[in-house]
Amino acid sequence: AQSVTQLGSHVSVSEGALVLLRCNYSSSVPPYLFWYVQYPNQGLQLLLKYTSAATLVKGINGFEAEFKKSETSFHLTKPSAHMSDAAEYFCAVSGLNSGGSNYKLTFGKGTLLTVNP
Amino acid sequence: DAGVTQSPTHLIKTRGQHVTLRCSPISGHKSVSWYQQVLGQGPQFIFQYYEKEERGRGNFPDRFSARQFPNYSSELNVNALLLGDSALYLCASSFRGGGMSFGSGTRLTVV
Repeated sequence: AQSVTQLGSHVSVSEGALVLLRCNYSSSVPPYLFWYVQYPNQGLQLLLKYTSAATLVKGINGFEAEFKKSETSFHLTKPSAHMSDAAEYFCAVSGLNSGGSNYKLTFGKGTLLTVNP
Repeated sequence: DAGVTQSPTHLIKTRGQHVTLRCSPISGHKSVSWYQQVLGQGPQFIFQYYEKEERGRGNFPDRFSARQFPNYSSELNVNALLLGDSALYLCASSFRGGGMSFGSGTRLTVV
């Protein structure tokens, strides 16, 4: 069984400040981990993914995340927040099925990021 | 290339009715998955289809069904709609082992 816990349902930062969104996972198999962003009334956009290669993963829009197996964490960071980063962010974990394709994603409950001018 | 496309974008149905939602995957993607996102929550897995076969099913009642066609497009069907079925329904497609790409969703409102 797999699960994801996102710490903090709402994070507020000032423009230009560091963004840190926390995600802890539980998985009985080596996990694939993802961060998605959702803007109002839209679907999910993939920010970045960890698939057992480099533990520091760089994504789009200046975001990155570090896989820490010892802490079962995959926190999302961005050095300097921009107003356009305001959105909801979802961490997700996945395993492969027997056919080697991505099986279901299990999502956290999301973290709403607000950016203050 | 076009992304994942879903239709319709919005839908209002009455309790007890039936609804069909449609999804076209990214060209070359053979896997399609469906997710339900209730307001304020993360998406919940409903089904995954790969090469027209069901490969996974989430914890949803039998009122929910789906299928995948030879061109890899998919339909999600929900019978006997309940108020609690009101949600954003997301379709995602993926290539084997890759990250999933999501459509913009169908907003279903049951009244």
